[in-house]
This record gives sequence, structure tokens and C-alpha cells, in this order.
Amino acid sequence: DADVTQTPRNRITKTGKRIMLECSQTKGHDRMYWYRQDPGLGLQLIYYSFDVKDINKGEISDGYSVSRQAQAKFSLSLESAIPNQTALYFCATSDPTVTDTQYFGPGTRLTVL
Amino acid sequence: ELKVEQNPLFLSMQEGKNYTIYCNYSTTSDRLYWYRQDPGKSLESLFVLLSNGAVKQEGRLMASLDTKARLSTLHITAAVHDLSATYFCAVNQPGAGSYQLTFGKGTKLSVIP
Repeated sequence: DADVTQTPRNRITKTGKRIMLECSQTKGHDRMYWYRQDPGLGLQLIYYSFDVKDINKGEISDGYSVSRQAQAKFSLSLESAIPNQTALYFCATSDPTVTDTQYFGPGTRLTVL
Repeated sequence: ELKVEQNPLFLSMQEGKNYTIYCNYSTTSDRLYWYRQDPGKSLESLFVLLSNGAVKQEGRLMASLDTKARLSTLHITAAVHDLSATYFCAVNQPGAGSYQLTFGKGTKLSVIP
């Protein structure tokens, strides 16, 4: 089984709808992240969380909110989706050891019409 | 503001040839990551480089870091088709552990027979 899972994997929605993307991990990591990827732009950090009570905004948090329900679960919400939020969304986890490498989930492809 | 530039952004190379991808970054950092992404897939960690002069090798890929020049290279030796993918470098912001990663735009590598 995958260490980092995301649901749904694909979602098409309409402008103005509320959408929640979910991320679960079995790696036992405290740190979790949400990124979006747009073609040709690399990845941009939306939110990150060091533990259940510690949530922080990334570089592009406007229009998004998150919830850390447990160490293993980190959800991303779009309160009122708009077309320019159409993107590939990745969840990642890391362990603050020497390397602190981030491990990514499979991604959610979101289309907002 | 930390900026990360990769070049080239697109690379088409013949099997058996050697080539180098460059990753320049604008401010001091204490670690640099290389990731691979296959089309429609997630990001896979390749290397983490932690100090000046660090060199890591895995198969036909070798990564190095020059912190004084703020430059990392990913060298491909005797390319094979299976190496076709997009390669990203990512740099952490100083003092931030890994969580504030800034990604380059990626280098899309196509290895042709």
C-alpha cells in the first residue's frame, strides 16, 4: 500500500462549489504539506502543518483552507472554487531528520469549469 | 526572495549521450533536493545534497552541489529511454528545515533512440 494517499484522484467541479481534497499517510511523519502544480511552473506551497495544532500558510494560500484532523490526515478545501484553481494538487509528508526529504502522494487532478 | 532557475527547461537527447541539467539558486541555502516526475505521476525523491561539494550517484544519474556558486548539477551518463521524465530541483529557504521549499520549473527530458 502507498505511504501517502490522496482522494479523489480526479475531480471536475463547477465555479462556486466547495471542494475538499483529502490526504492520508502511514509514514508516521508529523509534517504535512499541500502543493499545487501548474504546467511549466513547478510546485507552489499552499499550506503546511508541523503537527495537529500547528498550521501555516504557504506562498499561495488565498482561496484555500486546511484541516489537520490527526497526525495522519490533512485536508485541503476550496471554499468557492474558481477556474484558475484548476491544477494538479499534491500532498507531501516529511520527517525532520537530517535530510527532511518530502514524500509526495499521487496527486489530485482538479478541474473547475 | 529565493529564486530557483533550471536550465534547460526542455532537453531532447539521444540514447547513449551524456548531458547536464543545471540548477541555480539566488540565496544561501543548506540543502538541495532533486526529484523526478513521470507524466501524470507523483514526484519521486532522487537525491538530497546537504553540503558544499556533496556528490550523490544512482545509476546513470549523478548530482553535485556547489554552495559557493549556488549551483547544483544533475549529470546524465549514457542516457536510456527510461530516464525520460521531468526533473525538478528544490531548495529550502535558509533556516527553514525543508518545509519552505522553492522548486525550479523543471527540466523535461526526452531520450530518443
